[in-house]
Amino acid sequence: DAGVTQSPTHLIKTRGQQVTLRCSPKSGHDTVSWYQQALGQGPQFIFQYYEEEERQRGNFPDRFSGHQFPNYSSELNVNALLLGDSALYLCASSLYPPGTEQYFGPGTRLTVT
Amino acid sequence: AQKVTQAQTEISVVEKEDVTLDCVYETRDTTYYLFWYKQPPSGELVFLIRRNSFDEQNEISGRYSWNFQKSTSSFNFTITASQVVDSAVYFCALRDVNAGNNRKLIWGLGTSLAVNP
Repeated sequence: DAGVTQSPTHLIKTRGQQVTLRCSPKSGHDTVSWYQQALGQGPQFIFQYYEEEERQRGNFPDRFSGHQFPNYSSELNVNALLLGDSALYLCASSLYPPGTEQYFGPGTRLTVT
Repeated sequence: AQKVTQAQTEISVVEKEDVTLDCVYETRDTTYYLFWYKQPPSGELVFLIRRNSFDEQNEISGRYSWNFQKSTSSFNFTITASQVVDSAVYFCALRDVNAGNNRKLIWGLGTSLAVNP
């Protein structure tokens, strides 16, 4: 049973560029959430997708956008990258009811130079 | 507003010692869920436990145990006979179940646990 997978593992981008991160949820899960984790901090919620729609969003600018595909996989897009976007981006999958636990992928380490 | 406080930033113990990680939460809702996650150096967050607000039973799983006390809004985590492999950052998280805000986890800042041989 495959867990949550994310690609790529590491990424280096330049300020102003755009990046796309990918996530495949755990088998049987239908909901994908994205988090940003800066060094030494807890994860910060970016948004959550269910049934291909964004269901809730955290305090992130519109430069952060996402998509969910019919197979439940998801993408996180960040436009006009800033140095402050450097972080570990975590994808978590779960079932839709709010109390269920989220299972996290290994993350994508994004470095913006 | 919801908030999770993990007052201990770093803890260092010697192998086989017992260690308790504190978690205090704030919420105005009566229905909510609490979670603990472990984040080893590899970076992947590992789910440890979920507890809902109506279940105050303490839980034990091997060397891990959790003490949930609504009266003090605390959900503490104890590792008995710690091992070097327990070295990680541990996060406590809260999810409210109310309209419009029931989809995201509110995280503490984490407690970095170092278990030394």
